[in-house]
Amino acid sequence: DGGITQSPKYLFRKEGQNVTLSCEQNLNHDAMYWYRQDPGQGLRLIYYSQIVNDFQKGDIAEGYSVSREKKESFPLTVTSAQKNPTAFYLCASKASGSSYEQYFGPGTRLTVT
Amino acid sequence: ELKVEQNPLFLSMQEGKNYTIYCNYSTTSDRLYWYRQDPGKSLESLFVLLSNGAVKQEGRLMASLDTKARLSTLHITAAVHDLSATYFCAVTGQNAGNMLTFGGGTRLMVKP
Repeated sequence: DGGITQSPKYLFRKEGQNVTLSCEQNLNHDAMYWYRQDPGQGLRLIYYSQIVNDFQKGDIAEGYSVSREKKESFPLTVTSAQKNPTAFYLCASKASGSSYEQYFGPGTRLTVT
Repeated sequence: ELKVEQNPLFLSMQEGKNYTIYCNYSTTSDRLYWYRQDPGKSLESLFVLLSNGAVKQEGRLMASLDTKARLSTLHITAAVHDLSATYFCAVTGQNAGNMLTFGGGTRLMVKP
């Protein structure tokens, strides 16, 4: 089955620890995206990548880092510099060209205490 | 900066009633999307609207786009409990990354 997988579904960490969220897609999509969703709010873009070994900051990149070493993988690291990391994180991917839409993964709920 | 506003933010309605959710955006956009999100779940794509006057319908939901007014509507006809969810609109600006800017969402609760 083609799709986007995110793991784990739930993640708990202590404050001050870095944590990496996984996002994998087998859709052969060039572009991948990371969004953050806080309770009762819409999604906000953290980082995006249009091609392997290249990525750009979104609206709320501070305290996060990403890598894009493989086309199918776009992991997100939430660093200790992110002041309010507890949130629902969604990964998405899209084929090249503006006529295609983004497909979303199932999400990872991160809780930092 | 592209901004997207939805209203209402919360909507409680009786089964069988009709209602409309509004989505306004601030600058020219290539396309507009409507998504549904159930609690704790990811986003499910409902509609993609590409041009002025576009109208799409699926079951009890109908979406329309007026690019001149920078307004999209999601109309609910004869609501049923299964439509209870949060609905988001999102637009792509004229940017290279085809990034989506989301509205704040409308939480719909349909009461039996």
